[in-house]
Amino acid sequence: GQQVMQIPQYQHVQEGEDFTTYCNSSTTLSNIQWYKQRPGGHPVFLIQLVKSGEVKKQKRLTFQFGEAKKNSSLHITATQTTDVGTYFCAGESGTYKYIFGTGTRLKVLA
Amino acid sequence: NAGVTQTPKFRVLKTGQSMTLLCAQDMNHEYMYWYRQDPGMGLRLIHYSVGEGTTAKGEVPDGYNVSRLKKQNFLLGLESAAPSQTSVYFCASSYGNSPLHFGNGTRLTVT
Repeated sequence: GQQVMQIPQYQHVQEGEDFTTYCNSSTTLSNIQWYKQRPGGHPVFLIQLVKSGEVKKQKRLTFQFGEAKKNSSLHITATQTTDVGTYFCAGESGTYKYIFGTGTRLKVLA
Repeated sequence: NAGVTQTPKFRVLKTGQSMTLLCAQDMNHEYMYWYRQDPGMGLRLIHYSVGEGTTAKGEVPDGYNVSRLKKQNFLLGLESAAPSQTSVYFCASSYGNSPLHFGNGTRLTVT
């Protein structure tokens, strides 16, 4: 079945440093979504990527979808303490069944 | 506008007991999902539904049953709870290829 792997599992950075998490799917995806979950909270939607090679930006966050539509990345420039949380990718292969990656827990040290 | 509401918020069960988790959404979404979240495992899909009266298995369906009798409700049942089912359960809904809207979760402990 479809599997979605995400690395790294944990990342500790100093405030102001950059951060990147990578997502890889075992199957070609129709689209990929990214979510953020704060400690004790529920996942909150950040963005959706649909097209091969697509790049989207939200302020300090940059999202990319690979050319083969099997991988994606989230890059945060100059992290802030408000960026703390776990970031998940979720891939869909045309069946409306969203499979989540294992997540990357980000800790930002002030 | 409540969004996605899960009840109960917390529950403690003894091994072998049964219970039903309720998810209700007021956004007229067609698609609804049940996930479980365990430390280091991310969110794993248990069952999902693409419309009223239809359900399908996800990644980890064993030990769970679901029903979608009404469009706005998606029920998750545990017939005979096991300690391995201790987890945080999240319900989500969407229009399809659109953002998933999550409830606040149900924390279940099975002793």
